[in-house]
Formats: sequence, structure tokens, C-alpha cells
Amino acid sequence: AQTVTQSQPEMSVQEAETVTLSCTYDTSESDYYLFWYKQPPSRQMILVIRQEAYKQQNATENRFSVNFQKAAKSFSLKISDSQLGDAAMYFCAYRSANFGNEKLTFGTGTRLTIIP
Amino acid sequence: DTAVSQTPKYLVTQMGNDKSIKCEQNLGHDTMYWYKQDSKKFLKIMFSYNNKELIINETVPNRFSPKSPDKAHLNLHINSLELGDSAVYFCASSQVGGYNSPLHFGNGTRLTVT
Repeated sequence: AQTVTQSQPEMSVQEAETVTLSCTYDTSESDYYLFWYKQPPSRQMILVIRQEAYKQQNATENRFSVNFQKAAKSFSLKISDSQLGDAAMYFCAYRSANFGNEKLTFGTGTRLTIIP
Repeated sequence: DTAVSQTPKYLVTQMGNDKSIKCEQNLGHDTMYWYKQDSKKFLKIMFSYNNKELIINETVPNRFSPKSPDKAHLNLHINSLELGDSAVYFCASSQVGGYNSPLHFGNGTRLTVT
């Protein structure tokens, strides 16, 4: 079974600074997908960024980028120019590429606080 | 134009009661899920349906029974509610294929059992 670990329960960053959230995972599969979801206090689950395991190029979405290290099974999220609206719980998630096992397995989350 | 909608948003009930949560998606997806988020914010899969067929059933008590009348709907019925069932329940949907179809979540139903 796959597991996802987020070792930072809480992080804080000054507004306009850069912060990196860590995520590691364990799997024996070679093909899979990785995601970062954001959950603000409104409790919506919002997709932030996604990465295919077979792509070496790191995904970027505006101020959000990932550092994907397949051999190390690491998938960190970098948020540049942090804004107050970035304050939320951030969840790293793994998804198998095998049909019938396409559930998302989540990490325990990192609560990000933005300091004005 | 809500993509994945759940009702109700809040549900307060007493131990021993039976309750249902409804979920509908208008994205044309073929797979739907139920997730449970506990008080520590941990999200865990409960069930997954693909085209009305159950494909994932994690170790969930028999008191929980999902029902999918069609691929756009996935309801969750809970019998004999217990205090430990208090949580936020999320419905989600996706299309088989992974990357190009991440899970889209509803806004969750906060269930409180007293």
C-alpha cells in the first residue's frame, strides 16, 4: 500500500516571502500521479498543482511550483511571493495509474500561516 | 454551475439514528468517491464507484452503505450512528485517467453525532 508523509504539521511565512512544504511517499509502482491540494477554512478542497511521475520536468502553476525527485520519492511544494489568501491546510496526495486503484492517498497535511 | 454538490452541509443527529448524505456531480465523470476527514484533518477514502459499480471499499463498518443510482449520483447512508462517526464527509468525482482528471471535491458535510 502506498503511504504519503508530510513531516511539517505547521509552517509559517512572512507575506511576499517564499516557503517550501515537504512531502515524501512510498510506492512500488512506476507510474502514478502526485497532487497538492489546498483546504482553506471554508473547507473546500482546491487543486493547487499536479505532476505525472514519468515527467521529469517539474510542474509550475503561477506562484506554485514543485520539486519532484522520483528516486528519492519526494514531492515538495514551493510557494513564491506568499499572499494572505495562501493561508490554508495543504495536503500532498498520491494516485495510482492502475485502473481500480485510482483513489487519492493523502498525507496528514501542513497548516500554513501567512504573517502580514 | 456547481460541479460536485453535497447535501446537507451540516447534519446534527443523535446516536442510534440513521441518516443519508447525497452527492451529485455535473462534470460527466464516471468515478465517484466518499472520503472521511476526521478531527485531525486526516482524509481517508471510504468508497469508490465507477459507472455505478463499487470498485473500492476500504475497511468501513457495515453501517455505512453507499448507493449509486447512476454515474452522476453517489449517496451515503449511515445506520445506527455512533459518536465516532462525527467527521466531515467529502464526495468527489473524477474521470478514469489520472492526470487529466484530478479529483473534484464537494464542499463537505459536517456530521455531528451527539
